Amino acid sequence: DAKTTQPPSMDCAEGRAANLPCNHSTISGNEYVYWYRQIHSQGPQYIIHGLKNNETNEMASLIITEDRKSSTLILPHATLRDTAVYYCIVRPQTSGSRLTFGEGTQLTVNP
Amino acid sequence: KAGVTQTPRYLIKTRGQQVTLSCSPISGHRSVSWYQQTPGQGLQFLFEYFSETQRNKGNFPGRFSGRQFSNSRSEMNVSTLELGDSALYLCASSLRLAGMENEQFFGPGTRLTVL
Repeated sequence: DAKTTQPPSMDCAEGRAANLPCNHSTISGNEYVYWYRQIHSQGPQYIIHGLKNNETNEMASLIITEDRKSSTLILPHATLRDTAVYYCIVRPQTSGSRLTFGEGTQLTVNP
Repeated sequence: KAGVTQTPRYLIKTRGQQVTLSCSPISGHRSVSWYQQTPGQGLQFLFEYFSETQRNKGNFPGRFSGRQFSNSRSEMNVSTLELGDSALYLCASSLRLAGMENEQFFGPGTRLTVL
């Protein structure tokens, strides 16, 4: 699976948009970008995934650059409950369910 | 729809003992994966089961084993426990092994402490 690089920590004010970047410069054509988050002492939670088009769901938006070498997860109106470690993962859709987690980004939403 | 359930939630064992952890996937999900999370190593993949067969395995010693039953429920076993096995063990289920809609849904984990 392609390696990803994320900043170790970020802060965001409550009610503002949180933009979490991820670099995946070695991504292959058949690899998807997945985002998960883990709130302290809970299991990781699936957020969103995409291949090359931008995606949006009830939780977040995923913006993937045209060359697919980086992406940004956007939480449009961050709340205190969004404080968590956010993981960006790239993997082929056909590789089974295995996820390779990096160190992620600790997002802290401040009141 | 009920989420992934794991039992027990907390467990304390001593070195040399063995332990069995249980995972019930979301109804209809056929793939179950196990992960170990420690402060030093982060989240690491242990193995994945689909249709009662191990399909994928991480880089862990043979003391770590698992199985899946016909109802998709899964168990993992750790024999001859070591202090370093203290960790949060997470189970995740997905609808299928690969392809579309194989996003993984994680349980709350079992916190294992080895004394």
